[in-house]
Amino acid sequence: ETGVTQTPRHLVMGMTNKKSLKCEQHLGHNAMYWYKQSAKKPLELMFVYSLEERVENNSVPSRFSPECPNSSHLFLHLHTLQPEDSALYLCASSQVWRGGYEQYFGPGTRLTVT
Amino acid sequence: KQEVTQIPAALSVPEGENLVLNCSFTDSAIYNLQWFRQDPGKGLTSLLLIQSSQREQTSGRLNASLDKSSGRSTLYIAASQPGDSATYLCAVRDTDKLIFGTGTRLQVFP
Repeated sequence: ETGVTQTPRHLVMGMTNKKSLKCEQHLGHNAMYWYKQSAKKPLELMFVYSLEERVENNSVPSRFSPECPNSSHLFLHLHTLQPEDSALYLCASSQVWRGGYEQYFGPGTRLTVT
Repeated sequence: KQEVTQIPAALSVPEGENLVLNCSFTDSAIYNLQWFRQDPGKGLTSLLLIQSSQREQTSGRLNASLDKSSGRSTLYIAASQPGDSATYLCAVRDTDKLIFGTGTRLQVFP
């Protein structure tokens, strides 16, 4: 595997379910990111992890809970979501967090909340 | 607060045309600007990254320019092909984050 991978690619869940999204980067990077892309809106940064520490939480509701057990893996735990949380969730990584380092994106998880 | 705008929102052109996509941003204090391509329902593919000290970058048929003082970037696509059909996103990098525009949806028809 190369680059940034995400699983699952598609997920349908009810509002009472609990699920997790997984991201893995094979680039040796130290920073990882979760973004949300809703229809007709710009990509929104949700969370940033640098060296496994959360450094940014962009006013995201607590029903989204990130976890970064090591610098290669990032999870997004989901519980009691709302239909408006349906979106494409993208993971990215970069060599370091601050500065002009390029971010590399995964293919995304298409989430539908019913 | 940095805001990124892309014009036009959608563009439909015949194959072979040269075209220009526009991106503007409100705060010139940026590290770099990046152009991405996104195919429907897919992730982002980085096309070009221009550091704040650079004026342009080229890759194949793509050329991106950056004018920090006026808060503008353009992506020039030469001799467009149907395979270029996608949404093109521009994003500026400040100290901590990438800030994205809403994209230009490009359709190139044969």
